[in-house]
Amino acid sequence: DAGVIQSPRHEVTEMGQEVTLRCKPISGHNSLFWYRQTMMRGLELLIYFNNNVPIDDSGMPEDRFSAKMPNASFSTLKIQPSEPRDSAVYFCASSPLWVSYEQYFGPGTRLTVT
Amino acid sequence: DQQVKQNSPSLSVQEGRISILNCDYTNSMFDYFLWYKKYPAEGPTFLISISSIKDKNEDGRFTVFLNKSAKHLSLHIVPSQPGDSAVYFCAAIRSGQKLVFGQGTRLTINP
Repeated sequence: DAGVIQSPRHEVTEMGQEVTLRCKPISGHNSLFWYRQTMMRGLELLIYFNNNVPIDDSGMPEDRFSAKMPNASFSTLKIQPSEPRDSAVYFCASSPLWVSYEQYFGPGTRLTVT
Repeated sequence: DQQVKQNSPSLSVQEGRISILNCDYTNSMFDYFLWYKKYPAEGPTFLISISSIKDKNEDGRFTVFLNKSAKHLSLHIVPSQPGDSAVYFCAAIRSGQKLVFGQGTRLTINP
């Protein structure tokens, strides 16, 4: 049984370019979460969905970030335009429960913006 | 406004000894606490948890202690093994709300 799948695993792009990160949650999970990991702030929740509906996007840094979940098996996180300070590891996680006590994380996408 | 804090970015312990990772929180409304473990190039994985109605939970070599009056959480690993070398994240949640993570502590077990 596959876990959470993220693509790409690594992304290097130039400042100003659009970046799209992709996530396939575990089949049957109702909740999906996007996190960003940095040295200073650890794991920050950016946005989460329940049954494909965005519930809380208060962690999204600014309007340059957007996320969608068109169906139960796919989600994207888009940064447009990207900036060097967006460089981080972005994780997607899914959970079978609305109350997200235990989340299952993907391997992450390491984003470098030059 | 970091609600969950791990003040030690790194910890080094000799193999076979006890590893103690600490976590402090500020929100007294948290009712569930978790520890996640993360290896390089992998996502975090759930390790152990504790409800706020308990003060200790044990699972094999791993024990989590909760001191609500001090708003302090700790993870004990005994005996420590080389495979325990990883980044450990403390997390807390209030029912119906989102999980809040600390910054992580990098644990290195030396042979």
